[in-house]
Amino acid sequence: NAGVTQTPKFRILKIGQSMTLQCTQDMNHNYMYWYRQDPGMGLKLIYYSVGAGITDKGEVPNGYNVSRSTTEDFPLRLELAAPSQTSVYFCASSYPSGQNEQFFGPGTRLTVL
Amino acid sequence: DQQVKQNSPSLSVQEGRISILNCDYTNSMFDYFLWYKKYPAEGPTFLISISSIKDKNEDGRFTVFLNKSAKHLSLHIVPSQPGDSAVYFCAASEGRNQFYFGTGTSLTVIP
Repeated sequence: NAGVTQTPKFRILKIGQSMTLQCTQDMNHNYMYWYRQDPGMGLKLIYYSVGAGITDKGEVPNGYNVSRSTTEDFPLRLELAAPSQTSVYFCASSYPSGQNEQFFGPGTRLTVL
Repeated sequence: DQQVKQNSPSLSVQEGRISILNCDYTNSMFDYFLWYKKYPAEGPTFLISISSIKDKNEDGRFTVFLNKSAKHLSLHIVPSQPGDSAVYFCAASEGRNQFYFGTGTSLTVIP
């Protein structure tokens, strides 16, 4: 199993550009999440999904959109990139049992200039 | 407003000694608490968790203690090893939907 994979690893965007951060998991997990981590801060939840076709906002959803058309994929869309969206983005997944733990991808480092 | 707080940004411990990492929370509705370990340029990895109905959970060298009246949890690592050097995040959730993370404590284990 590859676990949770994220692409790209790094990206530099200009203000106003748009992009999609890709996230795929091969563990058949129902739950998927997107977080951002700013320097010296903890992870903050952007959006989450409890299954295909179901998404909901987290703590910091403004400026982002998500979709969940399959169990495996949970892409994060930035429509009009702003410098405040410079961050490291982590995707995670979990299954609805066990210890409530999440499995994280390696992250995407995004810089908006 | 930060619902989960880790007030110690860093901690240094001698190899073989105990490491104690602390975490405070404000929301009494949290029902699950977790600790994650993170190395640079990697995603966090799960270490150990505890539900709100327990006050202690142990897994090998790692023990998590929960004090609900004080809204405080701690992670004990005994004995500490150089490979334990990493950033440790505590997290809390109400159910499985919304998770709140602390700002992390950087642990250095000195050989």
